[in-house]
Amino acid sequence: AQKITQTQPGMFVQEKEAVTLDCTYDTSDPSYGLFWYKQPSSGEMIFLIYQGSYDQQNATEGRYSLNFQKARKSANLVISASQLGDSAMYFCAMREGEDSGGSNYKLTFGKGTLLTVNP
Amino acid sequence: DGGITQSPKYLFRKEGQNVTLSCEQNLNHDAMYWYRQDPGQGLRLIYYSQIVNDFQKGDIAEGYSVSREKKESFPLTVTSAQKNPTAFYLCASSLRGFAYEQYFGPGTRLTVT
Repeated sequence: AQKITQTQPGMFVQEKEAVTLDCTYDTSDPSYGLFWYKQPSSGEMIFLIYQGSYDQQNATEGRYSLNFQKARKSANLVISASQLGDSAMYFCAMREGEDSGGSNYKLTFGKGTLLTVNP
Repeated sequence: DGGITQSPKYLFRKEGQNVTLSCEQNLNHDAMYWYRQDPGQGLRLIYYSQIVNDFQKGDIAEGYSVSREKKESFPLTVTSAQKNPTAFYLCASSLRGFAYEQYFGPGTRLTVT
């Protein structure tokens, strides 16, 4: 079974509108972290936002927020006031297991959502 | 400026040749990673290293080898044993710690014909 599922291969949004990119995850570990990355056409991966499984509040970073629904195992990315420069691939990723010295640094990525912002 | 450099941006090789991809970071990060990305896919972990002189296999290590002789450098060799080497390769680094994000280099696009 896939650990990270992004069900939207592509999304379109009008400039200045908000958009939600879906991400569901599968883990039995009580301790995990969720990351969102942006990949423009140049190829470089850009970190956007992080949510820990024990965090009480939803993470926010500027125009990015993470709608974390733990019981539903979803971690949707919300981009407010979309800009043309937001057009890119967006990846959700998960790290499982608490850092305990011999820790697990592995990130598991979803297949991504291609966001297109229209003027 | 701190960051991760990967060279070259594009690499072309003939089938049967080994090729080494460079990855250097000046972020003073202990952990470094190599990922492979195929069209329409997410990233898959090839190898990772938490400290110098130590590295671990990821999900798709077959046909690849790495070394970590210096903190700043984590080169990846794509050997002739790798059946489908044509892909986009991304190197990343991070601080050691569960919540720390990984910083990525610009990637190397390898084409083997």
